[in-house]
This record gives sequence, structure tokens and C-alpha cells, in this order.
Amino acid sequence: DVKVTQSSRYLVKRTGEKVFLECVQDMDHENMFWYRQDPGLGLRLIYFSYDVKMKEKGDIPEGYSVSREKKERFSLILESASTNQTSMYLCASRSPSGGAGETQYFGPGTRLLVL
Amino acid sequence: SQQGEEDPQALSIQEGENATMNCSYKTSINNLQWYRQNSGRGLVHLILIRSNEREKHSGRLRVTLDTSKKSSSLLITASRAADTASYFCATDAILAQKLVFGQGTRLTINP
Repeated sequence: DVKVTQSSRYLVKRTGEKVFLECVQDMDHENMFWYRQDPGLGLRLIYFSYDVKMKEKGDIPEGYSVSREKKERFSLILESASTNQTSMYLCASRSPSGGAGETQYFGPGTRLLVL
Repeated sequence: SQQGEEDPQALSIQEGENATMNCSYKTSINNLQWYRQNSGRGLVHLILIRSNEREKHSGRLRVTLDTSKKSSSLLITASRAADTASYFCATDAILAQKLVFGQGTRLTINP
């Protein structure tokens, strides 16, 4: 069965802290994505990766960076957390077959609160 | 910019009734997908319809796609309380290399 896991369901951090959000998938998918979800704004793409050590900016990359050292793991890094980064963060992975838009599999989400 | 716009933003119906949600988009697409999200959880893929398809069924779900109007609808028949969730359309626009999600429709099924 397909599985995407995220390191934390809930996280509380202080302004200025460096924050790591981890995502692991067990489906051998090459493509992985990080989104944030805010009320009234839907899902917005932060970064994505097509393969190990590859990364592409999404729609809102400012204030974030990512790391993809292994195929199964995609990390989102908040270099210096700010209160406007309080949000729900969702990781997803996708099989590359059939083009860029095939089904994405999502993790359960990490709800981050920055104080 | 958002590719998919959903309508209505919120929908509340009685158990057993049918629920219809609509999605409009702006550019040509390869396919359109519908996802479901239970409160505080990740999204789960429901159904994918390709640009050359007009209608697709999966259990109690029926999806239509009208590429001339750039719109899609999701129909849930014989709704159940467990269908209470948010529903998102996501478009795979040609040359976009990524899915773009709408803001979702919040569906509440009243017992």
C-alpha cells in the first residue's frame, strides 16, 4: 500500500528558529512536492523535486529551502521561521509515468505554529 | 495564479441527497483530478479524467469534463455522513509540469 509519512503532525517553533520538516515515501517515486495550505488560499506549491539532488521552485519558495539527498526523502527547511509561516504543510509524491500530472499521494500533513 | 476555481465554496446537504461541486479552469489541460481531504488530514486522490474524456464513474462518484467551457463537475450520489470533507480539483495544464489546486469545496452531510 502506498505510504507517505511526515515527521511530525504538530510542531511549535519560535520566530528565528531553523525548522526541518521531513517527508518519506515508500513507493520509489521520483517526484516529490511540498505544499502549504492556508484557509481561503488552497494549496500552494513551495518546492518540488524530480529526482535525487534536483529541486525546482514552486509558486512561493521565499523563506524556504529543500533537500533531496535520497530518493525516498524530501526535506523542507525554514531557514529562519517567521509567524507568517504558520500553516499546514503537506508533502506529496508522484509516479513520473504518464506525464507531470498523474496522481499525487499525500502525507498526513504537519501543522506548524510559529510563535 | 490559481488554475482551478471551485464552486460553491461550501455546501451543506442532508444524508442521502446528491452533492454537486464545480471546477472551472483557465488554460488547456492534459487531465483534471479530484481529491478529498478530511479535516486536518492529507489529500486523497479520488478520480482522474483526461482531456479526451467527457465522463467518468467510480462507485458513487461521477465526474464530467467540458473542455470547451473549461469546467468540470463532481457528483456524489446518495451522500453519507462519512462524505463530509473538503473536495479539491487539480489541473494538469499543458506545459505546466505540475498540478495546480483549486481552493476547494467544503461539503457537510447532515445526518
